[in-house]
Amino acid sequence: SQTIHQWPATLVQPVGSPLSLECTVEGTSNPNLYWYRQAAGRGLQLLFYSVGIGQISSEVPQNLSASRPQDRQFILSSKKLLLSDSGFYLCAWSLYKEEAFFGQGTRLTVV
Amino acid sequence: AQSVTQLDSQVPVFEEAPVELRCNYSSSVSVYLFWYVQYPNQGLQLLLKYLSGSTLVESINGFEAEFNKSQTSFHLRKPSVHISDTAEYFCAVSGTTVTFGIGTKLQVIP
Repeated sequence: SQTIHQWPATLVQPVGSPLSLECTVEGTSNPNLYWYRQAAGRGLQLLFYSVGIGQISSEVPQNLSASRPQDRQFILSSKKLLLSDSGFYLCAWSLYKEEAFFGQGTRLTVV
Repeated sequence: AQSVTQLDSQVPVFEEAPVELRCNYSSSVSVYLFWYVQYPNQGLQLLLKYLSGSTLVESINGFEAEFNKSQTSFHLRKPSVHISDTAEYFCAVSGTTVTFGIGTKLQVIP
């Protein structure tokens, strides 16, 4: 069966520090991978998606970047965090247009 | 481009009463439609989906949704809600990417 792992679950980082959130998928090949950010009252904002290794599409200009070094690994990064980067980050995968499966999320607080 | 509109940000309803959570979408390509549920501090879980075939789809816990192509809607309904249904519900469309609505918080009142 397919599983998705996302870590850490919670993270408190100072302003200006770097960020690295990792997501891995097991049990499937060549999935579409997604990073979303969830803020209260704003739903899920798609940050990045990837249809293959090294292929990253950015949906919004921001302080974040994403990489896909392996087929089932998706990393969200920042060189210098801002207060506005605080939020709940969700990784997800899907096959073509089928349903997305989500990780448990990372609660990031920038202080 | 595609978009999803959930018209109600919060819906309070008494236990055992019926509920409808509204969802409208727009897309220039054919899409699949989904409802997800999210409990506090957790990821999203798929509740039900419409891919093709019968326009009425059901979940195992009593929710149902009907795809209406002419009205571009996919409203979620349940005839009798339970306290355990209290959660946030997201409508989503899958075309080129997966796009979510802003979510509707369902609060079931005892």
